[in-house]
Amino acid sequence: EAGVTQFPSHSVIEKGQTVTLRCDPISGHDNLYWYRRVMGKEIKFLLHFVKESKQDESGMPNNRFLAERTGGTYSTLKVQPAELEDSGVYFCASSPQPSAGGLYNEQFFGPGTRLTVL
Amino acid sequence: RKEVEQDPGPFNVPEGATVAFNCTYSNSASQSFFWYRQDCRKEPKLLMSVYSSGNEDGRFTAQLNRASQYISLLIRDSKLSDSATYLCVVNAYSSASKIIFGSGTRLSIRP
Repeated sequence: EAGVTQFPSHSVIEKGQTVTLRCDPISGHDNLYWYRRVMGKEIKFLLHFVKESKQDESGMPNNRFLAERTGGTYSTLKVQPAELEDSGVYFCASSPQPSAGGLYNEQFFGPGTRLTVL
Repeated sequence: RKEVEQDPGPFNVPEGATVAFNCTYSNSASQSFFWYRQDCRKEPKLLMSVYSSGNEDGRFTAQLNRASQYISLLIRDSKLSDSATYLCVVNAYSSASKIIFGSGTRLSIRP
């Protein structure tokens, strides 16, 4: 079974440009998450989709970031315009719905997109 | 104060040694706890969940102390392949949603 995939693996752009990251979750996983790790800091939650709906977007840093999950399959994360502090590794993760009475299902992470803003 | 705090290390121990990491969390309402492992330039992968009663998986033992709000991971008979960053992770909500990562503890096993 294919894991979570992310594209591109690396992106180098200039300040002010736009970049779109893509995540393909594991087939059948309703939950999709975006995380970010900036240099020297911990991995931080950005947002959570359940199917095509945003369940929690409390971690989105500002309105330059736009996430979508049309049709409840793959997701995109657009940064427009990019700033220097947006550099980091962007991880996507997916998980199935928890079983009845369950609190949590393991999140499977993609390999990440390393974004460098110059 | 960070929500999840870990000693960043690095821990540098010889093969075969026993090593222990601790992690503290600030939200007493936290309900689910995990250890993830992250190899250099790779994605995090779940190592084990942490239960109140403590749990063991081979050479790995995880403990949870709710009263003191800390989680521990013990690795016995360490192998070279255990070299990685170990991430303490806490889920604060009663749903499959937001998880909070510690900054990780780096472990290096030397021959």
